[in-house]
Amino acid sequence: AQSVTQPDIHITVSEGASLELRCNYSYGATPYLFWYVQSPGQGLQLLLKYFSGDTLVQGIKGFEAEFKRSQSSFNLRKPSVHWSDAAEYFCAVGAGSGGYQKVTFGTGTKLQVIP
Amino acid sequence: GAVVSQHPSWVICKSGTSVKIECRSLDFQATTMFWYRQFPKQSLMLMATSNEGSKATYEQGVEKDKFLINHASLTLSTLTVTSAHPEDSSFYICSARDPTTPQSYEQYFGPGTRLTVT
Repeated sequence: AQSVTQPDIHITVSEGASLELRCNYSYGATPYLFWYVQSPGQGLQLLLKYFSGDTLVQGIKGFEAEFKRSQSSFNLRKPSVHWSDAAEYFCAVGAGSGGYQKVTFGTGTKLQVIP
Repeated sequence: GAVVSQHPSWVICKSGTSVKIECRSLDFQATTMFWYRQFPKQSLMLMATSNEGSKATYEQGVEKDKFLINHASLTLSTLTVTSAHPEDSSFYICSARDPTTPQSYEQYFGPGTRLTVT
């Protein structure tokens, strides 16, 4: 079964600083990887996804992520954080085949942005 | 982009009563919908996978008689929490998969429903 680890529960960065959120996955085959963002009391919004091809993936809101198979990682980055980026971020891995495809979420990283 | 709605967004019910939550795909037909539960400050836990016209597939540990799921049409799935108790209070989120997209692992999420059982 697949699993996702987000080692940082909470991260605080200054506005304008760079950001990297870590994500490690466990899956036997090539994974389908996602990053979602959740604002308080809201549903999830997809930031970006990786299925195949270029290992550096560009997403919305200036985010990018890099798939590194050798490290089983899919870290999320942003060069300059804005106050509106404060939210909870979830990494997820999709696996399965045929009619049963399951997405497993990490435990999330809460981002706090200070002025 | 694909839009998924949930209704209600917030509901309070008394212990012992049942409450129904609706999940709708607004601009696409969703053959598969998913129901998640999220406890405060925790991740999303998949409760069940709902396929249109067939019985839902429940994850281990989820009581199927307590959490009734119906996916009667390609745009609507419902979750009914029966005989609700305070421990059922949680944030329930649904998602839907658009089978026409090439990478069908992508799920579109609803805004969630906050259930409080008193």
